[in-house]
Amino acid sequence: LAKTTQPISMDSYEGQEVNITCSHNNIATNDYITWYQQFPSQGPRFIIQGYKTKVTNEVASLFIPADRKSSTLSLPRVSLSDTAVYYCLVGFNYGGATNKLIFGTGTLLAVQP
Amino acid sequence: GAGVSQSPSNKVTEKGKDVELRCDPISGHTALYWYRQSLGQGLEFLIYFQGNSAPDKSGLPSDRFSAERTGGSVSTLTIQRTQQEDSAVYLCASSLGVNEKLFFGSGTQLSVL
Repeated sequence: LAKTTQPISMDSYEGQEVNITCSHNNIATNDYITWYQQFPSQGPRFIIQGYKTKVTNEVASLFIPADRKSSTLSLPRVSLSDTAVYYCLVGFNYGGATNKLIFGTGTLLAVQP
Repeated sequence: GAGVSQSPSNKVTEKGKDVELRCDPISGHTALYWYRQSLGQGLEFLIYFQGNSAPDKSGLPSDRFSAERTGGSVSTLTIQRTQQEDSAVYLCASSLGVNEKLFFGSGTQLSVL
């Protein structure tokens, strides 16, 4: 069964740039790639979404290579409040009309002072 | 409403009892998802509703689990004959449609004693 793969954890320091990569080998042609952030005892929160190349918003950038089999979330100048679990999400269509959204395993980012 | 609302926020039940978890999606959102998150784990897809289409139930772990979405709005996840391994946070999310970003509720913490 196709799934996404992310590093389990990453460590960083305040002010550094953090890049988290997600592998999604079986992404479907029409699927977008979305990243979410989750703090303890809360539901995930949308960060950024893209289809190909590069997308940038006020909090992050998303880099997607031409084959779309992976994506990299880039967080510039992280702070302590960026400590959270980051999930990569792609839609998998199994030949039908469904849009089952499979989350990756999540990456726990720990930002140190 | 302002966001996705889930109730109850916490539910403690005895093994063997049935429970119902409720989700009120954002008004106008046609897609609704249920996920389960065990302690320290990632999000496990359970079921997906899109408009009036037949739901994708492929993530439901057993026939003790069922879900309905009445009138294309409120959804109820029912777990019959609860087991201790059902203990988890059950998260609901809604979106405007396919490949649109998900808005999550705060979840229902289910504890089966």
